[in-house]
Amino acid sequence: DIQMTQSPSTLSASVGDRVTITCRASQSVSSWLAWYQQKPGKAPKLLIYKASSLESGVPSRFSGSGSGTEFTLTISSLQPDDFATYYCQQYNDYSPTTFGQGTKVEIK
Amino acid sequence: QVQLQESGPGLVKPSETLSLTCTVSGGSISGYYCNWIRQTPGEGPEWIGYIYYSGSTDYNPSLKSRVAISVDTSKNQFSLKLNSVTAADTAVYYCARSPSKGSFDYWGQGTLVTVSS
Repeated sequence: DIQMTQSPSTLSASVGDRVTITCRASQSVSSWLAWYQQKPGKAPKLLIYKASSLESGVPSRFSGSGSGTEFTLTISSLQPDDFATYYCQQYNDYSPTTFGQGTKVEIK
Repeated sequence: QVQLQESGPGLVKPSETLSLTCTVSGGSISGYYCNWIRQTPGEGPEWIGYIYYSGSTDYNPSLKSRVAISVDTSKNQFSLKLNSVTAADTAVYYCARSPSKGSFDYWGQGTLVTVSS
């Protein structure tokens, strides 16, 4: 299985901050990477697919970049609604597709 | 607006079979991959498997010997069976749709299944 490692595990930030989360794959996944936002008690919500494509309806302050084994999710100006846990998912190898362990963005 | 809803028992005894159904409304499952995903507290999601609307399936190798996913296109539903459950199978179970073997664009709200006697 392809292992996905996110850093940091927890991130403390303030409203208006620029936030960057990193996801590293144990082997190349090309650009087959997605990012999700999850709030407590809710299902994950798709933000980014194919490494940098913004899902319809997702605010433009979210952006994704990277290819191969290293990827980043950037929130350009953190908003109160953005405090949540974020997960990356690789789907280059779909059996199984695998997720990272999550990055919790909390209020500083 | 596409919506997915999981249903099934919230408590299953050890060694028995976990059975869940996902009902899709607001859109057809035809042309889509129908997935089951589970998550334990504090962990990332774990993909269980999918069924394509035509009936082809693929499962996580770690669960393959215990899992079966089926589809009923006439009811716009798909179902999960996981046999020989243990406490390690306690999790929130989600159904999710994907347009291809890729990211998941619509998810159910999730249902907690506890394995306990």
